[in-house]
Amino acid sequence: AQKITQTQPGMFVQEKEAVTLDCTYDTSDPSYGLFWYKQPSSGEMIFLIYQGSYDQQNATEGRYSLNFQKARKSANLVISASQLGDSAMYFCAMREGDNYGQNFVFGPGTRLSVLP
Amino acid sequence: DTGVSQDPRHKITKRGQNVTFRCDPISEHNRLYWYRQTLGQGPEFLTYFQNEAQLEKSRLLSDRFSAERPKGSFSTLEIQRTEQGDSAMYLCASSLGTSQETQYFGPGTRLLVL
Repeated sequence: AQKITQTQPGMFVQEKEAVTLDCTYDTSDPSYGLFWYKQPSSGEMIFLIYQGSYDQQNATEGRYSLNFQKARKSANLVISASQLGDSAMYFCAMREGDNYGQNFVFGPGTRLSVLP
Repeated sequence: DTGVSQDPRHKITKRGQNVTFRCDPISEHNRLYWYRQTLGQGPEFLTYFQNEAQLEKSRLLSDRFSAERPKGSFSTLEIQRTEQGDSAMYLCASSLGTSQETQYFGPGTRLLVL
C-alpha cells in the first residue's frame, strides 16, 4: 500500500492566485512528521515546510502553509500568491516514528505550472 | 556555500563499468542519506549513515552498490558493473539528527548508463 498519495499529477495556477496541492498519508504510528519539498527542473530538492504529528497548529513558512487534518490523514500544501518561480515538482514526504532511513518515504509528486 | 554538494553532477558510462559518486554534507550534520530517483517518481531510499556507521540499507541496494562514510564526513556511493537500469538521479541528503529530522538535499548526480 502507498504510504503517501498525491492524487494530482499536474496542476495549473494563475500567477498571484493561491493553489492547494493534496497529500494523504497512511501510518499507524502515533509519532510521525510530514514534509513538503520542491524540486525545480535543476533537480535539487528544496525543503519547504514541516508538520509534526503532535503539533497543534498548522505549520506556516512565508507563502507556504500546511493544512493538516490529522483525522483525515491529509497534509495539503497551500501556496499563496503564486509566482512564476513556483513552477516545479512538489513532493510530500513522511517520516514514521523516530526511526529514519526506510521510514522516510516520498509521494509520487505533483507538477505545478504557474501561468503568467 | 554551506549546503550539501555532490560530485559529479552528471556521469555517462558504458554498461559494465564502475562509477563512484561523492557527497559532502552540511558540516555539522551527523546523518547522511542516499536516494535514487527515476523519471517521474519520488526519491527512493537507498541507505543512511549516522556519523561513519551505515545503519540501514534498502533492499533496493543490490550487491553491486556500496556506500561508505569513512570519517563521518563525506560519503561515496559506488556502483559496480553498471546496468542500464541503474540510470537515474542519485541524491544525497544530510540532517542534524534532531527530532524534526529535516533532510537537506544536494543537487544530485545524474547517471546515464549506455
